[in-house]
Amino acid sequence: AQSVTQLDSQVPVFEEAPVELRCNYSSSVSVYLFWYVQYPNQGLQLLLKYLSGSTLVKGINGFEAEFNKSQTSFHLRKPSVHISDTAEYFCAVSGYTRTDKLIFGTGTRLQVFP
Amino acid sequence: GAVVSQHPSWVICKSGTSVKIECRSLDFQATTMFWYRQFPKQSLMLMATSNEGSKATYEQGVEKDKFLINHASLTLSTLTVTSAHPEDSSFYICSATPLAGGPSDTQYFGPGTRLTVL
Repeated sequence: AQSVTQLDSQVPVFEEAPVELRCNYSSSVSVYLFWYVQYPNQGLQLLLKYLSGSTLVKGINGFEAEFNKSQTSFHLRKPSVHISDTAEYFCAVSGYTRTDKLIFGTGTRLQVFP
Repeated sequence: GAVVSQHPSWVICKSGTSVKIECRSLDFQATTMFWYRQFPKQSLMLMATSNEGSKATYEQGVEKDKFLINHASLTLSTLTVTSAHPEDSSFYICSATPLAGGPSDTQYFGPGTRLTVL
């Protein structure tokens, strides 16, 4: 079984500051890793995903994440945040087959202040 | 890109009535669709996996007779909340995996349906 832990429920940050949202996972097998963003009253939008290859993954809106197998982590980073980045961010893990379930973390609320 | 729609986006109903939520893949065919439930300020919890032409697979603790799922075509899955009660009030989100896609890296999410049961 797989699980995902997002260590911070809320992350407040000032505009133009860097931010890191932490995600750790647990799995007995190899997995795919994802970060999704959810704006209020909306569905989820894929920010980025790690399937294989380079451990540094670049996504949309200037976000990137680094897969660290030894630490079982997949932290999300952005060097300079904007007010519009205020949203809920979910880390997720899944197995390798097309019908494997996505297991989500509990989410991190990123609040960007002017 | 792949687009998934949900209808309605918002519904209010009286306790005891049934509500149907539609999930459509607009520009791709989806053999597998997933239904999630999200309570306020919480994560998404998978309710069921829906495969076209077969019965849905429900997660433990989800009442299949209460949450009826039908996946009649490659572009449409429906979730019917039967005899809804206030505790069923939640945000319901579907996702779809393209028929021609690769491994589970391509789950596209709908915008969600807010259900409020009075």
